[in-house]
Amino acid sequence: DTAVSQTPKYLVTQMGNDKSIKCEQNLGHDTMYWYKQDSKKFLKIMFSYNNKELIINETVPNRFSPKSPDKAHLNLHINSLELGDSAVYFCASSLTRSGGNQPQHFGDGTRLSIL
Amino acid sequence: QKEVEQDPGPLSVPEGAIVSLNCTYSNSAFQYFMWYRQYSRKGPELLMYTYSSGNKEDGRFTAQVDKSSKYISLFIRDSQPSDSATYLCAMSIMEYGNKLVFGAGTILRVKS
Repeated sequence: DTAVSQTPKYLVTQMGNDKSIKCEQNLGHDTMYWYKQDSKKFLKIMFSYNNKELIINETVPNRFSPKSPDKAHLNLHINSLELGDSAVYFCASSLTRSGGNQPQHFGDGTRLSIL
Repeated sequence: QKEVEQDPGPLSVPEGAIVSLNCTYSNSAFQYFMWYRQYSRKGPELLMYTYSSGNKEDGRFTAQVDKSSKYISLFIRDSQPSDSATYLCAMSIMEYGNKLVFGAGTILRVKS
């Protein structure tokens, strides 16, 4: 059973389109995250939700909007896609947000390519 | 200057070698230090986790943290071809809600 699953695995679309990526975790964790990994493999946090509440919001264009319908799901909607949005987007989860010591479990990523 | 610096490699070693992977960081407030392994087209998986300075061993893996030098290391003994992957260091601060700051990752290739 996949602990953190993302759909779709690959997404190829045109510049200017709007797209969504979905993430689900079956670990019973309270906290979920979105990361972006660029072409140089640099992984950077974008957002974090704790039990449906936004707790981390890094400097990300407001074209990116996360949504958490419940604590097991965290979706990422991207408006007006740009070439620079091409990257691998990873979802992760951890048991809680507290203490900075909660290991994060990652999904296998969504590879977004903008044409 | 990035908060966490990591040599991207690639690092090529023969099977059975001892591998040393390192990261330096600039923010002395980091308290929790992790190493993740990432295979091609997969998500990062947690290998080692340490709190503050010291050593931690798990099988063939040893993680070391030297807070005075702002330097962390991961040692892999008896390296195997299956260890070929990208190794990412990551660190966090208690007050920042479990926000991880990653290094750029080091590509490791173990040749049989």
